[in-house]
Amino acid sequence: QSVLTQPPSASGTPGQRVTISCSGSSSNIGSNTVNWYLFLPGTAPKLLIHSNNQRPSGVPDRFSGSKSGTSASLAISGLQSEDEAEYFCAAWDDTVSGPVFGTGTKVTVL
Amino acid sequence: QVQLQESGPGLVKPSETVSLTCTVSGASVSGYYWSWIRQPPGRGLEWIGYIYYTGNTNYNPSLKSRITLSVDTSKNQFSLELRSVTAADTAVFYCARFRITEDTYFFDYWGRGTQVTVSS
Repeated sequence: QSVLTQPPSASGTPGQRVTISCSGSSSNIGSNTVNWYLFLPGTAPKLLIHSNNQRPSGVPDRFSGSKSGTSASLAISGLQSEDEAEYFCAAWDDTVSGPVFGTGTKVTVL
Repeated sequence: QVQLQESGPGLVKPSETVSLTCTVSGASVSGYYWSWIRQPPGRGLEWIGYIYYTGNTNYNPSLKSRITLSVDTSKNQFSLELRSVTAADTAVFYCARFRITEDTYFFDYWGRGTQVTVSS
């Protein structure tokens, strides 16, 4: 079901930097931009990064995105307890002619 | 502040049709694309389809034969109809606004999601 591959989990202590990878193919990440979403139980999912590295208004600059080839990454610097959530990457897929999502990564703040 | 709120029956019997509605506040449905996404328990996210305010649609090929999206600009709502449901359709269903520009596509506002359980 999920076309893009992410590590199932990542963790860090407060203040550390955590990086989440997202691996795809030429039909999605390789030819289209990547977005990142934050999922927190009981709340509406939130757009963190769009167009590979653009932060919507209100998203702290602790969150940054990058893309290279058929992979992308989300970095969270200065990790905070409120960052404990699940993160999903997404990109348009030319084969599906629609958006596809990553498998999701749960971030734990130790 | 753009807000989306899903509503639906919660529990549906196998082979029946489930209808979900997303009510938008803080923005007009006119001028935008609107989408549905679902997440089965313990699994990843799946895009279902999107609809433009004019009624033009784009569906996930894996669901195309069983879904219909519609929009009601007078009520500022859009809806999903999923037919012939099975246990595999049990999921949290999210509605979201879908932004499409010349070279990028993303969901900028989401609802909190509504649980749909298929069971007899």
